Amino acid sequence: DGGITQSPKYLFRKEGQNVTLSCEQNLNHDAMYWYRQDPGQGLRLIYYSQIVNDFQKGDIAEGYSVSREKKESFPLTVTSAQKNPTAFYLCASGYSLAGGYNEQFFGPGTRLTVL
Amino acid sequence: QKEVEQDPGPLSVPEGAIVSLNCTYSNSAFQYFMWYRQYSRKGPELLMYTYSSGNKEDGRFTAQVDKSSKYISLFIRDSQPSDSATYLCAMSAIGELTGGGNKLTFGTGTQLKVEL
Repeated sequence: DGGITQSPKYLFRKEGQNVTLSCEQNLNHDAMYWYRQDPGQGLRLIYYSQIVNDFQKGDIAEGYSVSREKKESFPLTVTSAQKNPTAFYLCASGYSLAGGYNEQFFGPGTRLTVL
Repeated sequence: QKEVEQDPGPLSVPEGAIVSLNCTYSNSAFQYFMWYRQYSRKGPELLMYTYSSGNKEDGRFTAQVDKSSKYISLFIRDSQPSDSATYLCAMSAIGELTGGGNKLTFGTGTQLKVEL
């Protein structure tokens, strides 16, 4: 059964704690992405990785960190430096074609709440 | 000004109605245009993508692109309660990411409710 899995589905964090969100894919995609979704703001790109052992900052990377040690896995750590971490976090994997087409497949998301 | 503008709704229609969802954009470098559907508390799923100006049909869904006006639409015919979701438009230009990859820029989403 191919797809993208994210865990946990719900996560509660106390202020000052780091938490790590898991993302795994078995679609054999080279590229993986992390987005944050807030009401009224759409999806904003946090980090992306186009190949193993390489990743780049997206539009809102401050307070987040990632690693890409395996093709299948792209975990996201929300650090205590992220000022407003409560949000719905979406992981995606996909591919880009030379003509500009970029298809991304999304996981089910993790809802993070800071208490 | 945001690169992609989308009316957030909510949009409420009776079952069987034709629904029109729209996005405007300012970046003329966008080449591909996509529509995603997102059910509450779920990840988005790709509905359709288009490249050229004109219409593309898939069952009850029609995607329309007007590059000269920088305007895209998604039409849903014979709408069903199961179509109740948030619809996100997304657009892609060539090589906007470091390393040459293509980036998706999303609208904020339109919330649709189809009522019995």
